[in-house]
Amino acid sequence: EADIYQTPRYLVIGTGKKITLECSQTMGHDKMYWYQQDPGMELHLIHYSYGVNSTEKGDLSSESTVSRIRTEHFPLTLESARPSHTSQYLCASSGANYGYTFGSGTRLTVV
Amino acid sequence: QQQVKQSPQSLIVQKGGISIINCAYENTAFDYFPWYQQFPGKGPALLIAIRPDVSEKKEGRFTISFNKSAKQFSLHIMDSQPGDSATYFCAASKGPGANNLFFGTGTRLTVIP
Repeated sequence: EADIYQTPRYLVIGTGKKITLECSQTMGHDKMYWYQQDPGMELHLIHYSYGVNSTEKGDLSSESTVSRIRTEHFPLTLESARPSHTSQYLCASSGANYGYTFGSGTRLTVV
Repeated sequence: QQQVKQSPQSLIVQKGGISIINCAYENTAFDYFPWYQQFPGKGPALLIAIRPDVSEKKEGRFTISFNKSAKQFSLHIMDSQPGDSATYFCAASKGPGANNLFFGTGTRLTVIP
C-alpha cells in the first residue's frame, strides 16, 4: 500500500541534543516537504525537495536541515535542539498531479 | 503575510446541520484549491479539491463553492455528523506539484449530537 511514514510519532528530548526525524514514502513521488504545525493549527513550510540531491528552504525560517539522498527518504535534522523547536513536524509528498499526501507527524518536545 | 485567509477559527454545529467554512485569497495565479481534513494525532488528508474553471464541486456530503471574481471559496458539509468533528484547512497553489501549498489557518469543527 502506497503511503508516507514518519518516525518517531512522539519524541521528548533534552536541550542541546541532536535529533533526526525520519520520513519515507512508497509512492515514488519526486517532491517532498516538511511542514511545522503550531499548537494553534497553522501549517508552515520549512523545507522542500524536487528530487534526489535537491533541497530548498521554505517560507518559515528553521534551524533544521534536510537531505535527499534517495527518492523515498527525506530526513530532517536538528543539530542542537532547543525548547523553541517544540512543535509538530509533518512530512508530505506529491507526484505529477496536484495532491499532497501527509504523514501522521512527529510531535517533538524539547525540555 | 497570509496568502489564504480562513474563517471561522472554530465552529460548533448540531448533528444534521450544515457546516460552512470560508476562505479568501489574493493571488490570481492560484489554480488549485484543495480542502484538507485533520483528525487529532493524524496528518491532514485531502478531502476535496476544485480548479477555477468550475463554480461548484460535490462529493457526497461535501461541496466546494468557488467564486472566481470574488476570489473566495467555501466548504459546505451537509447533514453534519459527529464523525466530521476535525480541523479543516483550505489551501491554494499555483500549478500541479507546486513547491508550496499555501494553507489557511484552519477551522476546528465540532458537531454535537
